[in-house]
Amino acid sequence: EVQLVESGGGLVQPGGSLRLSCAASGFTFSNHWMRWVRQAPGKGLEWVANINKDGSETYYVDSVRGRFTMSRDNAENSAYLQMDSLRAEDTALYYCARIRDGWASDIWGQGTMVTVSS
Amino acid sequence: DIVMTQSPDSLAVSLGERATINCKSSQSVLYSSNNKNYLAWYQQKPGQPPKLLFYWASTRESGVPDRFSGSGSGAHFTLTISSLQAEDVAIYYCQQFYSSPHTFGQGTKLEIK
Repeated sequence: EVQLVESGGGLVQPGGSLRLSCAASGFTFSNHWMRWVRQAPGKGLEWVANINKDGSETYYVDSVRGRFTMSRDNAENSAYLQMDSLRAEDTALYYCARIRDGWASDIWGQGTMVTVSS
Repeated sequence: DIVMTQSPDSLAVSLGERATINCKSSQSVLYSSNNKNYLAWYQQKPGQPPKLLFYWASTRESGVPDRFSGSGSGAHFTLTISSLQAEDVAIYYCQQFYSSPHTFGQGTKLEIK
């Protein structure tokens, strides 16, 4: 079964750090770009970051650039999002998604919740 | 950044009737080199991740019922459900991939009238 499973979310104080993981299975992970998308409670979807197939290129939304780092380990079939200097406005459900034809995301995980609060 | 604006924000349609959702981009998302529109449509039901419906604006994802159709080009796009079913109640999003950041529309909430 093709699937993505996120983990690593939780409650963190402002200024703190978290590392999210996305474990892929059922497909050749190294053949796909990957992305993170977040959704604040009761709000819409926001694109966060993309990473290319070998991890040499990353792209970020302005609001997280310099604070978040996306990476991947193709040997472990996993993608990651290192989140530093967290702010209250980073509170959201974070989805990992596979990028396919036309840059669209055809496979999504169930998400991992990040709450930034004192 | 390309701003994606969906209309309406919410929509109530009777079962069996047509539902139409619009998505407008602040600039064209059509690449002239390959004549493809870098736009996708997603459906999100409560408590679930988004589900891909269309990519390249009008290419239906495998398994998506044919009552769903995607159309448009350039900066104006439409998602149409020809005959609304109860299971179509959801929030629908468009997303562009023409340039980074890959922005989403604000979403359109579809309900049964």
